[in-house]
Amino acid sequence: GAGVSQSPSNKVTEKGKDVELRCDPISGHTALYWYRQRLGQGLEFLIYFQGNSAPDKSGLPSDRFSAERTGESVSTLTIQRTQQEDSAVYLCASSLASGALYNEQFFGPGTRLTVL
Amino acid sequence: EDQVTQSPEALRLQEGESSSLNCSYTVSGLRGLFWYRQDPGKGPEFLFTLYSAGEEKEKERLKATLTKKESFLHITAPKPEDSATYLCAVRSGSSNTGKLIFGQGTTLQVKP
Repeated sequence: GAGVSQSPSNKVTEKGKDVELRCDPISGHTALYWYRQRLGQGLEFLIYFQGNSAPDKSGLPSDRFSAERTGESVSTLTIQRTQQEDSAVYLCASSLASGALYNEQFFGPGTRLTVL
Repeated sequence: EDQVTQSPEALRLQEGESSSLNCSYTVSGLRGLFWYRQDPGKGPEFLFTLYSAGEEKEKERLKATLTKKESFLHITAPKPEDSATYLCAVRSGSSNTGKLIFGQGTTLQVKP
């Protein structure tokens, strides 16, 4: 079946511009996560959605970062007034969430953001 | 503070030369340790989940084991196609969101 998809695959922008990154999770997966991967580093958690709600936004690095999810499906991560330190690969993952059990997270291919 | 450390950072093996990757962790109540494989330019691909000390899982040439402080990913007779970055992550009992805490990864290169 279809996996997690993300668009665009690559985004080059100028410092100060706003960008939107999109994630389409696996159908039926109620949990959705955004992570950031800087060059040569591990993945950093950004935000978690359960359905359309975001009970954990603790990883968002600043108020320039925001995200939403609609229809318990598509999610958009928005970065306002981009800075060079925002350059990274942004990864989206989804999983089934059943009660107290959290299942494996399946990742999309990522969006590589370059801020000039 | 929940933390994951992987070693070595990079590993070069000859085809057929078996070895192990290490993942050390400190976490408030482990609720799962995960291994992923990541190829250049791609998202992480799920390999294994381990939940309790003593648990082992195998897939082809890979075998993951878990103790109370660390996990090992054993690679038996590797092939060039096993070349990738291997990521270890934990889910902490201090969070009920399922978010993962990742190590920096081990980049494996297998030469023919």
